[in-house]
Amino acid sequence: QQQVKQSPQSLIVQKGGISIINCAYENTAFDYFPWYQQFPGKGPALLIAIRPDVSEKKEGRFTISFNKSAKQFSLHIMDSQPGDSATYFCAASPNSGGSNYKLTFGKGTLLTVNP
Amino acid sequence: NAGVTQTPKFQVLKTGQSMTLQCAQDMNHEYMSWYRQDPGMGLRLIHYSVGAGITDQGEVPNGYNVSRSTTEDFPLRLLSAAPSQTSVYFCASSRDGGVVYYGYTFGSGTRLTVV
Repeated sequence: QQQVKQSPQSLIVQKGGISIINCAYENTAFDYFPWYQQFPGKGPALLIAIRPDVSEKKEGRFTISFNKSAKQFSLHIMDSQPGDSATYFCAASPNSGGSNYKLTFGKGTLLTVNP
Repeated sequence: NAGVTQTPKFQVLKTGQSMTLQCAQDMNHEYMSWYRQDPGMGLRLIHYSVGAGITDQGEVPNGYNVSRSTTEDFPLRLLSAAPSQTSVYFCASSRDGGVVYYGYTFGSGTRLTVV
């Protein structure tokens, strides 16, 4: 059972456009939702994260939107740049006792931003 | 500050051989984990440790063994390599308090091919 479903698998956007990546989850115990960015040959790095007590979080050009009732969250990249070309992973974690160390990842989205 | 260091970066094994993937962190992080990354599968948790002397299984533990004798080191052992273990392996660590508060720091990965 895939606990975090991510779409699309790949995305091509023109420079200056908006990139949107969507994720859905099933486990209602999840209450922490980070996004990781991975460049070729590197390990993933934390990009931005949200807790379900807010519906939106913005950091620079990156915004997470969260819909608790629909169990969905998404990453929006405004004014996309070629340097944003990378693989993006959504993830989820419960925040309870020993479980708050575990992250369940989506399958990833390969973003290509054309100049 | 080196962060999370993984060695080797690349390895080719023959079926049936054993080997150890090394992971070391110099951030005094209590929590360490091993993930494998396969195309279209995202990152899947193999084993994790919440402190020296404490380890537990993740989502895909079969064929792998771990131990945690020190805070700094968390080696991953392949007992008898199989072609299905061809993958990119990532080690990650987090401060005590979990990924919910501090996120993961990932190493740069070990690319393993089993022939």
